[in-house]
Amino acid sequence: DQQVKQNSPSLSVQEGRISILNCDYTNSMFDYFLWYKKYPAEGPTFLISISSIKDKNEDGRFTVFLNKSAKHLSLHIVPSQPGDSAVYFCAARRTNAGGTSYGKLTFGQGTILTVHP
Amino acid sequence: NAGVTQTPKFQVLKTGQSMTLQCAQDMNHEYMSWYRQDPGMGLRLIHYSVGAGITDQGEVPNGYNVSRSTTEDFPLRLLSAAPSQTSVYFCASSYRPSTDTQYFGPGTRLTVL
Repeated sequence: DQQVKQNSPSLSVQEGRISILNCDYTNSMFDYFLWYKKYPAEGPTFLISISSIKDKNEDGRFTVFLNKSAKHLSLHIVPSQPGDSAVYFCAARRTNAGGTSYGKLTFGQGTILTVHP
Repeated sequence: NAGVTQTPKFQVLKTGQSMTLQCAQDMNHEYMSWYRQDPGMGLRLIHYSVGAGITDQGEVPNGYNVSRSTTEDFPLRLLSAAPSQTSVYFCASSYRPSTDTQYFGPGTRLTVL
């Protein structure tokens, strides 16, 4: 059962335009969401995150939106640059009853973003 | 700081062989974990540790053992490799379990024939 889904395996955009990557989740207990970026032959690197108490978080060119009622989040990259070409993973975790998360992340399948010059 | 290091980068095993994937971090992180990445599956948690001497199972623990005798090292052992364990393995660490920034190593690509 895939609790975090990225239904678009790939996305292609022109440099300077907006990239929108989508992610859906099924487990309503998830309360923290993250995006990781991965280049070939490297490990994933943290990009941006959002808590379930917010609906938007911005960091430079990257903005994550969370729609809890739809169990959907999206990552917007504006403007897109060729160096953004990578695999983007959505991830989610839940905080246990004691308020301590053990860092157990559930990842989506990833979306390959290609930004053309 | 070297960050999170993994060795080897590549490994080919025959079915039934055993090996240990090494992971080390020099950031004094409490939390360490192992993931495997398979095509179309994302990253799946194998085992994790919240501190020296403490380990627990993740989503796909079968066929793998771990131990955490020091804060720095978190090796992953395959006792009897199977073709289904062909994958890319990533080790990750963070200062505290609740910290969102998990630092990942560069990965080990394992092929089991």
